[in-house]
Amino acid sequence: AQSVTQLDSQVPVFEEAPVELRCNYSSSVSVYLFWYVQYPNQGLQLLLKYLSGSTLVKGINGFEAEFNKSQTSFHLRKPSVHISDTAEYFCAVSAYGDDKIIFGKGTRLHILP
Amino acid sequence: DTGVSQDPRHKITKRGQNVTFRCDPISEHNRLYWYRQTLGQGPEFLTYFQNEAQLEKSRLLSDRFSAERPKGSFSTLEIQRTEQGDSAMYLCASSLERGTGTEAFFGQGTRLTVV
Repeated sequence: AQSVTQLDSQVPVFEEAPVELRCNYSSSVSVYLFWYVQYPNQGLQLLLKYLSGSTLVKGINGFEAEFNKSQTSFHLRKPSVHISDTAEYFCAVSAYGDDKIIFGKGTRLHILP
Repeated sequence: DTGVSQDPRHKITKRGQNVTFRCDPISEHNRLYWYRQTLGQGPEFLTYFQNEAQLEKSRLLSDRFSAERPKGSFSTLEIQRTEQGDSAMYLCASSLERGTGTEAFFGQGTRLTVV
C-alpha cells in the first residue's frame, strides 16, 4: 500500500521569500505523484504532477517540484511567495495500475507580510 | 462543462437520520471517487467507480455507507443512521482513465454536520 508523509503541518514564510514544502512517499511499486492546493473555502486544485520523464516538474502559479526516487521525495518549491499563495497544500501518490489517489495530511502555508 | 458538481453544499442532520449526497462528474469522465476530509487532515479515500462498477471500497466505509453510480453518470453517497463521527467534508472527484496516471478533478464538497 502507498502512503504519503508531509513533514510540516504549518510553514510560515515572509512574502517574496522562497519556500519548500516537504513530501515523502512510501510504495512497493512505481508511482505517480501530485501536489494539490486548497485555497480557503475552495475545492482541491491540481498544482502539478509527475508521471514520468524529467524529475523536475513545473506547475501553475510558479510552483515546481522535484521527484527524487532514491530519497522517495517530491518536495514542492517556489522561489518567491505571494500573499495569494496562502492555502493548504496536499501531496498525493497513485501507484501504477491502481488509480486511487492517496493524500498526505497537508501543509498549511502562512504568508507573513 | 463547469467541472464536478456536488449537492448539497451543506447538510445538518440529527444523529440517527439518513442522508444522501449527489455528485455530478465532468461529463466525459469514466472514473468517480469519493473522499472524506476532516479538519486538519488530508482527504481519505472511501470508494471509486469506473463507469457503473464500484471497483474498490476503503475499510473506512462501514456498512452504514453505500455508494452508487447508476448508468455510469452521477453518483450518490448515502449514510444511514448517522453518527457524530460522520461529521466531515465529503469530496467527490472524477477523472478520465487513460492508463498513464490519473489526474482527479474535485468538486467543492458537501459539508455534513451531525448534531
